[in-house]
Amino acid sequence: QVQLKESGPGLVQPSETLSLTCTVSGFSLTSYSVHWVRQHSGKSLEWMGRMWSDGHTSYNSAFTSRLSISRDTSKSQVFLKMNSLQTEDTGTYYCARSFYRSDGYAMDAWGQGTSVTVSS
Amino acid sequence: DIVMTQSPTSMSISVGDRVTMNCKASQNVGSNVDWYQQKTGQSLKLLIYKPSNRYTGAPDRFTGSGSGTDFTFTISNMQAEDLAVYYCMQSKSYPWTFGGGTKLELK
Repeated sequence: QVQLKESGPGLVQPSETLSLTCTVSGFSLTSYSVHWVRQHSGKSLEWMGRMWSDGHTSYNSAFTSRLSISRDTSKSQVFLKMNSLQTEDTGTYYCARSFYRSDGYAMDAWGQGTSVTVSS
Repeated sequence: DIVMTQSPTSMSISVGDRVTMNCKASQNVGSNVDWYQQKTGQSLKLLIYKPSNRYTGAPDRFTGSGSGTDFTFTISNMQAEDLAVYYCMQSKSYPWTFGGGTKLELK
């Protein structure tokens, strides 16, 4: 059974660094990409970036200067680190797996999400 | 970035209704549009991909169509369990972008 589960601190101080972990099971990180998507409380969704199955990454340029995605395949974990957090970074952060079909990718399995509040 | 504009933003519907919602891309995205369902307090669930393929387990009352810049998502026979927010998303080019969502509410 394919599962993804996000974990993280919940509350982060402004200007500090956010560190999140996505732990996956039921598939291999060397066979599928894992993405990070965030959702603001007003429901808008933002694609943040991607860890490809071969280990390289793609980022939304809106985050490039402060976002880093990495992984530990031995632990089936993908990590998100984002620095210089501001209140507008408050939201729910999801990790999701993508599959390739019909000449493109779609995100077919999602974690439950982890809520992050940026506040002093 | 490609802007995905969904309409309407909300709909009041009854069980058994045929429901149609739209998604317009600010530039040509080919067939690279997917549709997701999000129920209150839950994560997203893939229903339709590229843009008319039904994902495994998605009921056949859900259909998608379109190409280029104009896409449509239809629920042929609305069920109570379909109450949710529906999002379109383009994966033609980075950054992948989502529409603002269409919320289905009971009349």
